[in-house]
Amino acid sequence: DVVLTQSPATLSVTPGERISLSCRASESVDTYLHWYQQKPNESPRLLIKYASQSISGIPSRFSGSGSGTDFTLSINGVELEDLSIYYCQQGNSLPHTFGAGTKLELK
Amino acid sequence: QVQLKESGPGLVQPSQTLSLTCTVSGFSLTSYNVHWVRQPPGKGLEWMGRMRYNGDTSYNSALKSRLSISRDTSKNQVFLKMNSLQTDDTGTYYCTREVVTDFDYWGQGVMVTVSS
Repeated sequence: DVVLTQSPATLSVTPGERISLSCRASESVDTYLHWYQQKPNESPRLLIKYASQSISGIPSRFSGSGSGTDFTLSINGVELEDLSIYYCQQGNSLPHTFGAGTKLELK
Repeated sequence: QVQLKESGPGLVQPSQTLSLTCTVSGFSLTSYNVHWVRQPPGKGLEWMGRMRYNGDTSYNSALKSRLSISRDTSKNQVFLKMNSLQTDDTGTYYCTREVVTDFDYWGQGVMVTVSS
């Protein structure tokens, strides 16, 4: 199974700053890497697909990059509503594994 | 519009069988794959298995011996059955629609507690 390692586990942020979250795969997943946001007591929401493709309705401050084994989710100008847990997920092979998540908290 | 909704018992006794239903609308089960994903309280997401558009199924190897996914296309429903439940099966169970390996729509989730 592909193991996805997300770092950091927790990130303390200040509104307005630019941040980057990392997701590293144990083997290449090409660009079949997707990012989700999950707020407390809510279902996950797709943020970025295929490593860097934007999703309709998602604010433009969210962007993704990477291919192969190293991926990054960036938020350009964090807002309070972004305080959530972010998961990466690979769809290159079964099982479709998820990373353990990165939690954004207020500094 | 696209919707998925999970339903099932909130409480299951240890060693018993969990039966959940995912009722979908706004798309056809013969055109999209539907997956089951679960989340223990305070923990991350675990992929459980999928029902493909053509009726084929795939399972997480860690759950394969206990898990079965089926469907009724006439009722727009996908079913999950998992036996021999234990306390660490407690969590929220989601069904989600796959586009091409990404999950674009999710149900609201159903909380399942395994306890006597």
